[in-house]
Amino acid sequence: EDKVVQSPLSLVVHEGDTVTLNCSYEVTNFRSLLWYKQEKKAPTFLFMLTSSGIEKKSGRLSSILDKKELFSILNITATQTGDSAVYLCAVHYGGSQGNLIFGKGTKLSVKP
Amino acid sequence: DGGITQSPKYLFRKEGQNVTLSCEQNLNHDAMYWYRQDPGQGLRLIYYSQIVNDFQKGDIAEGYSVSREKKESFPLTVTSAQKNPTAFYLCASSSRGASSGVNTGELFFGEGSRLTVL
Repeated sequence: EDKVVQSPLSLVVHEGDTVTLNCSYEVTNFRSLLWYKQEKKAPTFLFMLTSSGIEKKSGRLSSILDKKELFSILNITATQTGDSAVYLCAVHYGGSQGNLIFGKGTKLSVKP
Repeated sequence: DGGITQSPKYLFRKEGQNVTLSCEQNLNHDAMYWYRQDPGQGLRLIYYSQIVNDFQKGDIAEGYSVSREKKESFPLTVTSAQKNPTAFYLCASSSRGASSGVNTGELFFGEGSRLTVL
């Protein structure tokens, strides 16, 4: 069965801490892995990863994919209270137009 | 501005009533999706449509219906057959890659509709 597993499910840190969020997957015909941030309503796109070992970076956020071990990590350095959100991992896979399967998300709370 | 508009944002209904959630996009995307989000469950796919006048069931289609008469619009009806309709519903769309013509996988989401059935 195709699946995406995120860990931890929730995390509480203090401002300035560095966090690592994990996403592992088991799918057939992998195409890409995507990270989204959901603060209150609409998830917003962070990264799309298709190749192993190439780090994607945006400010204090970075992500990398390991297609051999079937996982990705999302790093956030020097966390701020505005980073508090649910972080969703999704994997695009399959033939034809493909399918997208989401993990359950990691709820990150950053305390002042 | 381009984007996806969902309405209503909040909706209350009595048990046994059908309700339709609206989703409109002006991004010129071919593919549109409906997801349901429950606490601790992540996003689960209800229905999706890759092209006008065509749609497919997702993982949890029972008790729901959709239509895709126009490229811009993909309304979702939550019927009385849906046993646990109270949830947060998200509509999304995606485009095809410029070179491959294949769905890129990146989704653009609406703000969501929170349905509460009393």
